[in-house]
Amino acid sequence: QVQLVESGGGVVQPGRSLRLSCAASGFTFSNYGIHWVRQAPGEGLEWVAVISYDGSHKYYLDSVKGRFTISRDNSRNTLYLQMDSLRTEDTALYYCAKDAGFFTISGWFDPWGQGTLVTVSS
Amino acid sequence: DIQMTQSPSSLSASVGDRVTITCRASQSISSYLSWYQQKPGKAPKVLIYAAASLQSGVPSRFSGSGSGTDFTLTISSLEPEDFATYYCQQSYSTLPYTFGQGTKLEV
Repeated sequence: QVQLVESGGGVVQPGRSLRLSCAASGFTFSNYGIHWVRQAPGEGLEWVAVISYDGSHKYYLDSVKGRFTISRDNSRNTLYLQMDSLRTEDTALYYCAKDAGFFTISGWFDPWGQGTLVTVSS
Repeated sequence: DIQMTQSPSSLSASVGDRVTITCRASQSISSYLSWYQQKPGKAPKVLIYAAASLQSGVPSRFSGSGSGTDFTLTISSLEPEDFATYYCQQSYSTLPYTFGQGTKLEV
């Protein structure tokens, strides 16, 4: 079955960096765009970034542009999110989610991983 | 950015009730609207895409309707496992993709 497993979360001080990973299985990873979506504690959902199936297109939420970098390794079936210059407001559970479109970005998400928690605090 | 507004923010209901949740977009998004269900401590799960298409494996008591700026999610007869938080999300061409604030469905 399709499965996404995030890792790499933790506690980090403001201004520091963290890299999240998302390991995919159960589908042809290189055929689908993948998103990062986050959820601050007790809050709603916020889309963060998306990368196309081949990595040629990347789009970001304005508040993370220039600080976060989404990338993928199709040979390892793995998605990454490099987070630099972290801020307290980046504290959230970060989910990776497969885009539903085949070789295109549809903009809706199915399925989602279980999430990895990032806490930015001094 | 396209703003998505759900109503109500919370809703009390009972097993067997018919429930409707509304989502309004700040501009027309055609039918680029999805609905997700999230249970405590779990990842969201898609129920409806393209405003009215039922995702495979989702019970038929869930239905979606609407286009343009106004959308609804209806649960025809609540089951115990339906008590959760529901989010709408737009995927119109203009990024970023945005979600409604959520509707918590409680007993």
